[in-house]
Amino acid sequence: DAGVIQSPRHEVTEMGQEVTLRCKPISGHDYLFWYRQTMMRGLELLIYFNNNVPIDDSGMPEDRFSAKMPNASFSTLKIQPSEPRDSAVYFCASSLLTGYGYTFGSGTRLTVV
Amino acid sequence: GNSVTQMEGPVTLSEEAFLTINCTYTATGYPSLFWYVQYPGEGLQLLLKATKADDKGSNKGFEATYRKETTSFHLEKGSVQVSDSAVYFCALNYGGSQGNLIFGKGTKLSVKP
Repeated sequence: DAGVIQSPRHEVTEMGQEVTLRCKPISGHDYLFWYRQTMMRGLELLIYFNNNVPIDDSGMPEDRFSAKMPNASFSTLKIQPSEPRDSAVYFCASSLLTGYGYTFGSGTRLTVV
Repeated sequence: GNSVTQMEGPVTLSEEAFLTINCTYTATGYPSLFWYVQYPGEGLQLLLKATKADDKGSNKGFEATYRKETTSFHLEKGSVQVSDSAVYFCALNYGGSQGNLIFGKGTKLSVKP
C-alpha cells in the first residue's frame, strides 16, 4: 500500500485566493482526519470523517474552512478566502479503527503571502 | 477533560545516552496510549502503543509502560542514536473504536554524535 497520499506537498498562494488540499486515505480505512500543525499551536484536529460522513468538525477554525469526503478514497480541505494566518502544515491521516493508531500523510505545507 | 501533557523540549543528548520523555494524561475511562515520532519534513509515524494498564509498548529500542496509578506513559530508550533526532508526540484515544486521538505538544529530541 502506498500509504496516505496528500497533494500538493507545498502550496504558496496569495491572500484571498482559494486553496484546496487533497488526501487519499489507505484503502479500507474507515476514518479520515485532517490536522493542522503550527509552531505556536502544535497539532490541532480540524475535522474527522467516519465512512465518509463528517463526525466532528468543531476544530474547523471558521467558515472559511470546509472539508468534504465524496467517497472512501478521496477527501478535500478547502480554504476560501485564504489568509496569512492559515500558513501551516496540514496533515491528513486515516485509520481502520481509532484505537489502532493512525497513518499520516506527508503533509501539505501551505504558505499564504 | 481529556488531555496529554509532555515535558517541554528541546532535549539534547549525546549518542548512546539514556532517554526519557515524560508524558502524563488526564482522561475519563480507560484510554489507549500512543507515542508518535515525526522526522524532519515528514508526517507522524506510530512508534508504539499500549491499550490497557501495565501494558508495555516497544519498538526500535523504545519502550513505554501504561501506568494507570500515575496516569503516565513515559518514553524511554537505553541508548539513543543520531538517527533518533525527531519530534516525539504522546497521544491518547479516549473513544475506543470511535472518537479521535488527543496529542501532546511534542518534544523535540536532538542527538549529537
